[in-house]
Amino acid sequence: QKEVEQNSGPLSVPEGAIASLNCTYSDRGSQSFFWYRQYSGKSPELIMFIYSNGDKEDGRFTAQLNKASQYVSLLIRDSQPSDSATYLCAVNIYSSASKIIFGSGTRLSIRP
Amino acid sequence: NAGVTQTPKFRILKIGQSMTLQCAQDMNHNYMYWYRQDPGMGLKLIYYSVGAGITDKGEVPNGYNVSRSTTEDFPLRLELAAPSQTSVYFCASSYGQSNDYTFGSGTRLTVV
Repeated sequence: QKEVEQNSGPLSVPEGAIASLNCTYSDRGSQSFFWYRQYSGKSPELIMFIYSNGDKEDGRFTAQLNKASQYVSLLIRDSQPSDSATYLCAVNIYSSASKIIFGSGTRLSIRP
Repeated sequence: NAGVTQTPKFRILKIGQSMTLQCAQDMNHNYMYWYRQDPGMGLKLIYYSVGAGITDKGEVPNGYNVSRSTTEDFPLRLELAAPSQTSVYFCASSYGQSNDYTFGSGTRLTVV
């Protein structure tokens, strides 16, 4: 079982709609969860992090965490063409809080 | 403020050659990491360091070596290049266990 799993996509969403990206993880002791955005040919950039169960909102982005279900999601409201990118879910590994493990990413395409 | 600087940006190696990928950060981060990203895939952790003089293996360390003689620098060494090491290599750093990573711009390596 992969430690961090994401649907590879592509996920196609019309402009202005809500994009929903999902991620599951296997390490029940994980404490920190991150969403990175990566444009083609560029390095990943952090857009959200969440530590506690529930929702965390930042502008058009909302991260949702459910530790009991080992599930974390990212919602993007009012999707824009500039949101087209690959979104990487990352989770810290409890056995070593010094490092995080990335999922393979979900490719998101916002169609005008 | 330069952040995380990686050199070179591109490199072509022949099978069996060796090279060192350079990574330097000027943010006084104590944690540094090397990841590789194969096409269409997520990031795989190669090695990481929690401070000068301390390094540890990640998910895919075979064929690589690292050293951390200073807080600022974390070079990655490939001793006998193989086609399977064709990838984009990202260096990242963080302050403490915050896990909020700053990534370098990457090194695109091709082994032929």
